[in-house]
Amino acid sequence: AQTVTQSQPEMSVQEAETVTLSCTYDTSESDYYLFWYKQPPSRQMILVIRQEAYKQQNATENRFSVNFQKAAKSFSLKISDSQLGDAAMYFCAYRDIIQGAQKLVFGQGTRLTINP
Amino acid sequence: GAGVSQSPSNKVTEKGKDVELRCDPISGHTALYWYRQRLGQGLEFLIYFQGNSAPDKSGLPSDRFSAERTGESVSTLTIQRTQQEDSAVYLCASSRGPGGRPTETQYFGPGTRLLVL
Repeated sequence: AQTVTQSQPEMSVQEAETVTLSCTYDTSESDYYLFWYKQPPSRQMILVIRQEAYKQQNATENRFSVNFQKAAKSFSLKISDSQLGDAAMYFCAYRDIIQGAQKLVFGQGTRLTINP
Repeated sequence: GAGVSQSPSNKVTEKGKDVELRCDPISGHTALYWYRQRLGQGLEFLIYFQGNSAPDKSGLPSDRFSAERTGESVSTLTIQRTQQEDSAVYLCASSRGPGGRPTETQYFGPGTRLLVL
């Protein structure tokens, strides 16, 4: 079974600085999807960024980018120019590409604090 | 349009009672998912509905848990004879598109926080 590991329960960063959240995963599949979700205190999960494993180019969304290392099964999230609104729980998630395999497998999460 | 909605927002119940949690997906979304999030943990998959196909129940933790969905609309997650270990946030998500293509984003509701005393 696929597993996702986030080794940093908590991280903090000064406003306007850059922070990197780590994620590793385990799978025997060669093609799959990886995601980073943000969960603010409202509990609503918000998609931050998505990476397709067959694409070598790292995904970027404005201040958010990933470092996808397929051989190492690593998928870290970099947040540039951190803002107070970035404070939240961040979850890394994996999804098979196999038709019918719809569930997301989540890591334990990293709580990100932004210091003003 | 409106996002995924869930009710109630919070539910407190006594051990042994049955509870029903409701999810209204985004209109037009054919796929619906239930996840459980225990305190300080990531989300655990419970069940997945896609159109009129048989649901994927592989994540349900015990036979006390069941879920129904009428067509492509509302879903209800039922927990019978609740136990304290069932205390968690129950999150619902939906995604569009026939067949639930892997690229489809899952949009989450705000969850129902269940506390079993």
